[in-house]
This record gives sequence, structure tokens and C-alpha cells, in this order.
Amino acid sequence: EAQVTQNPRYLITVTGKKLTVTCSQNMNHEYMSWYRQDPGLGLRQIYYSMNVEVTDKGDVPEGYKVSRKEKRNFPLILESPSPNQTSLYFCASSLRSGSSYNEQFFGPGTRLTVL
Amino acid sequence: AQSVAQPEDQVNVAEGNPLTVKCTYSVSGNPYLFWYVQYPNRGLQFLLKYITGDNLVKGSYGFEAEFNKSQTSFHLKKPSALVSDSALYFCAVRDRTGYALNFGKGTSLLVTP
Repeated sequence: EAQVTQNPRYLITVTGKKLTVTCSQNMNHEYMSWYRQDPGLGLRQIYYSMNVEVTDKGDVPEGYKVSRKEKRNFPLILESPSPNQTSLYFCASSLRSGSSYNEQFFGPGTRLTVL
Repeated sequence: AQSVAQPEDQVNVAEGNPLTVKCTYSVSGNPYLFWYVQYPNRGLQFLLKYITGDNLVKGSYGFEAEFNKSQTSFHLKKPSALVSDSALYFCAVRDRTGYALNFGKGTSLLVTP
């Protein structure tokens, strides 16, 4: 089954404790992206990657890191989480092809609480 | 910079009635436009997209959207709403030169029996 998986689905942690949220897709997609969803703000893009070893900042990259060492994986790293990073996080992927009109496939989400 | 506005936080409609969820956009040049739906405790699912050509785009679950370049709008429509259509709907825009995708804040659709 074609899908985007995220782990963990739920995480409660404390300020300053480094964490990683994993994202993996099995569709051989070049493009992957991370979003956070907050009430009243919709989805905001954190980082995206156009292919292996190619990443770029989205609208809200502060406090986050990403890496793209393999095509299928795109982990989101919070080196020192803070309470304002409490949010619902989504990973997404799409084909890149020759243009940017391909729809994105979303993972189920990771609900993160930072105390 | 590109952006999307969804002017209504919530839309209420009776089952069987037509529904419209509004979206306006701002982008330099011609846009790619998308609608996604999010059911409770789920990720976003793609509904439909406008790339070029016919201004009326048909998508999943009987939804359609009309691209209006002069009004910079891309409203989502359905002729007859179902209770199961109740969900959160997001409009998104991407310009044709980049890969960043900007989402609106979402509109909660409630269809009552």
C-alpha cells in the first residue's frame, strides 16, 4: 500500500530534550515536506526537500532541522524543543517530475506536546 | 510572496443543499491551486487541483472547484452535501516556479441532517 508513515504518532516530552520524528514514504517520491498545524493558523511549512541531500526552509524553520540522506526518509529533528513547538506535525511527499503541480500525500500526523 | 485566504472559519449547510467553501489566493504569475480535506484525527487527503485549461475542475467525492483568474478565487463546491462531507477543508497555492506550498487556515464544514 502506497503510504507515508510517521513515528511516533504521539509524543510528550520536556523542554530541551532532543527528539526526532521519523517520516518514510514508499512511493519513490522525490519531494518531501514537513508542516505544522496549529488552531487558527492552518498548515505552515517547516522544511522541504526536493531530492536526496537537497533541503530548503519553509515558512517556519526556526528550531527545527531536517536531513535527507535517503530518498524514502525525511526525519524532523528538534534539537532543543520548547513549549511553542507543541503542535500537530505532518509529513508529506509527492512526485517532483518536471514541474510543481503534483499533489502531496500526507502522513497521519504526530501530535507533539512539549512541557 | 504567495498566500491563500479562506474567509470563513466555518460553513454550515443542510444535507442535500449545495455547498461552497471559499478560497482566494495571491501569487505572482499563474498558480497551481489545490483543495485538501482533513477528517478528524487523520492526515490531509487530496481532493482536486487546477493546473491549466478548463476553469471548472472536478475531483473526488463529487466535489468541484471553479478557478476565476480575475477574482483570484478557487471556490470549492458540491451540488448536494452529505453529512459525511463534514470535515476541515484546506485550500493551497503554489506558484509555477517554486516548490513551496502555502495553505489557507482551513474552513470547517458542518453538514447537518
